[in-house]
Amino acid sequence: EAQVTQNPRYLITVTGKKLTVTCSQNMNHEYMSWYRQDPGLGLRQIYYSMNVEATDKGDVPEGYKVSRKEKRNFPLILESPSPNQTSLYFCASSLFGGITDTQYFGPGTRLTVL
Amino acid sequence: AQSVTQLDSHVSVSEGTPVLLRCNYSSSYSPSLFWYVQHPNKGLQLLLKYTSAATLVKGINGFEAEFKKSETSFHLTKPSAHMSDAAEYFCVVPVRRGGGYQKVTFGTGTKLQVIP
Repeated sequence: EAQVTQNPRYLITVTGKKLTVTCSQNMNHEYMSWYRQDPGLGLRQIYYSMNVEATDKGDVPEGYKVSRKEKRNFPLILESPSPNQTSLYFCASSLFGGITDTQYFGPGTRLTVL
Repeated sequence: AQSVTQLDSHVSVSEGTPVLLRCNYSSSYSPSLFWYVQHPNKGLQLLLKYTSAATLVKGINGFEAEFKKSETSFHLTKPSAHMSDAAEYFCVVPVRRGGGYQKVTFGTGTKLQVIP
C-alpha cells in the first residue's frame, strides 16, 4: 500500500531534550516536506526536500533541522525543543514537488513540549 | 504573492442538505488549486484539484469545485451532505519557487459539522 508513515504518533517531552520524528514514504517520491498545524493557522511548511541531500527552509524553520540521506526518509529533528513547538506535525511527499503534484500526507505526530 | 482565504471557519449543515465551503485566492497568474480533507485524528487526503484544464472539477465522495477566474474563487460543493463528511477542509494554493518546486499555502481550514 502506498503510504507515508510517521513515528511516533504521540510524544510528550520536556524543554531541551532532543528528539527526532521519523518520516518514510514508499512511493519513490522525490519531494518531501514537513508541516506544523496549529489552530486557526492552517498548515505551515517547516522544511522541504527536493531530492536526496537537497533541503531548504519553508516558512517556519526556526528550531528545526532536517536531513535527507535516502530518498524514502526525511526525519525532523528538534535539537532543543521549547513549549512553542507544541503542535501537530505532518510529513508529506509528492512525485517531483511540481505545482500540480498531489501531496500525500502521513497520519501526523502530536508533540507536547512541557 | 499568492494567498488563499477560506471565508468560513465553521459550517454546519443538516444531513441531506447541500454543502458550500468557500475559498478565494489571490494570484498573479492562473494557479493550481487543491482541496484537501482532514478527518478527525487523520492525515490530509486529496479531495480534488484544478490544474488549468476543466474549470468544473469533480472529486471523491461526491464533492466538486468550480474555478472562477473572474471571481478568484474555488468553492467546494456537494449536493447532499452525509454524516461521514464531517471533517476539516483545506483550500490550498501551491506556487512555484525557484527551480519549479512548490511553496504551498494552506487556507486556515473550514470545519464542517453535519447534523443528523
